Amino acid sequence: GQQVMQIPQYQHVQEGEDFTTYCNSSTTLSNIQWYKQRPGGHPVFLIQLVKSGEVKKQKRLTFQFGEAKKNSSLHITATQTTDVGTYFCACLRGTYKYIFGTGTRLKVLA
Amino acid sequence: GAVVSQHPSRVICKSGTSVKIECRSLDFQATTMFWYRQFPKQSLMLMATSNEGSKATYEQGVEKDKFLINHASLTLSTLTVTSAHPEDSSFYICSARDTPAQTYNEQFFGPGTRLTVL
Repeated sequence: GQQVMQIPQYQHVQEGEDFTTYCNSSTTLSNIQWYKQRPGGHPVFLIQLVKSGEVKKQKRLTFQFGEAKKNSSLHITATQTTDVGTYFCACLRGTYKYIFGTGTRLKVLA
Repeated sequence: GAVVSQHPSRVICKSGTSVKIECRSLDFQATTMFWYRQFPKQSLMLMATSNEGSKATYEQGVEKDKFLINHASLTLSTLTVTSAHPEDSSFYICSARDTPAQTYNEQFFGPGTRLTVL
């Protein structure tokens, strides 16, 4: 079946440092979504990427979709303690079901 | 954004009992709802897709007789864990979308239900 791996699995950074998580699929994707889950909370939608090579920004967050549409990245500039949580990519399978990546757990040290 | 609620937020039950979890879309009509299970420090695993007025579609490896899903209205889907056992203890999360079979659409997640089976 479709495999969606994220690296790294865990990341501890000092507040103010940058952070990047990578999402890799074994198959070409029609689109990809990113979610953030705070500890003890539920996933919250961040963004969706559709076009090959697409780059979108939300304040300190930069999302990129690979040219081959098999990978994506989420980059956070100058992390803050509020960025703590697990970041998941989610890839479309079929027409409307999404498969979640393995997730990257981010810890920000003040 | 759209709001999805789940009830209960936390439940503890004895082994062998059944537990019903409700998922409601509060300000929109959800033609499709999804049920996920998440074990500690793991990703969300899709269990089944629930479509209003039709039978749920279960993912491979998910027992349909154990996890009963009913999507009787456009705002409510229920998941019943029948004859629960300790290995069923997990965080169950539902999500909903308001447009049927459309790919460009975010899912709105409920707050989740933490099930502990003793």
